[in-house]
Amino acid sequence: DVKVTQSSRYLVKRTGEKVFLECVQDMDHENMFWYRQDPGLGLRLIYFSYDVKMKEKGDIPEGYSVSREKKERFSLILESASTNQTSMYLCASSSALDAQETQYFGPGTRLLVL
Amino acid sequence: AQKITQTQPGMFVQEKEAVTLDCTYDTSDPSYGLFWYKQPSSGEMIFLIYQGSYDQQNATEGRYSLNFQKARKSANLVISASQLGDSAMYFCAMRGLNTNAGKSTFGDGTTLTVKP
Repeated sequence: DVKVTQSSRYLVKRTGEKVFLECVQDMDHENMFWYRQDPGLGLRLIYFSYDVKMKEKGDIPEGYSVSREKKERFSLILESASTNQTSMYLCASSSALDAQETQYFGPGTRLLVL
Repeated sequence: AQKITQTQPGMFVQEKEAVTLDCTYDTSDPSYGLFWYKQPSSGEMIFLIYQGSYDQQNATEGRYSLNFQKARKSANLVISASQLGDSAMYFCAMRGLNTNAGKSTFGDGTTLTVKP
């Protein structure tokens, strides 16, 4: 079974703090993704990576950065957290070899920025 | 560019009845895949069913089936014999099969409530 894990289920941070959200997958997937989910807005892609050290901006990259030093790990960084970054963050991974295969999601991190 | 539209923010269904969740899409990719996911209140996204644009038959997975009408660009999810555990948010998503990195576009979701 594919497993995608995220470092925290719930996180409370203060405005201006640097926040790290970690995601690890155990299926040797090439592709990894970070989404944020807000009520009525569905899932919006922040960043994705199709290989180690490779990254591309998604639809809403402002205020975020990412790091992929190892194939299994994809980190989302909020350099200076703001209240409008309070959201649910979902990590996902998928194989580059089978475009018909689903993305596999982690359990999500609910981030509250005070 | 790809776009997914789910026009039903919320739906109610009686337990044991069937329900259809609507999804329409727009894409310029000649080859694409359509996915449905379920998200319970716990937050985890659960893959339900996949339909490829060139598949001749509608996809089925247990109580889930996909009513795929390519000309109308619709991919509605049908849940038969609804159960209380089906109460969740449902997302329709698509991916161009020839594009890089497997990027997917998601709809805004439909919240389904199953009434006893």
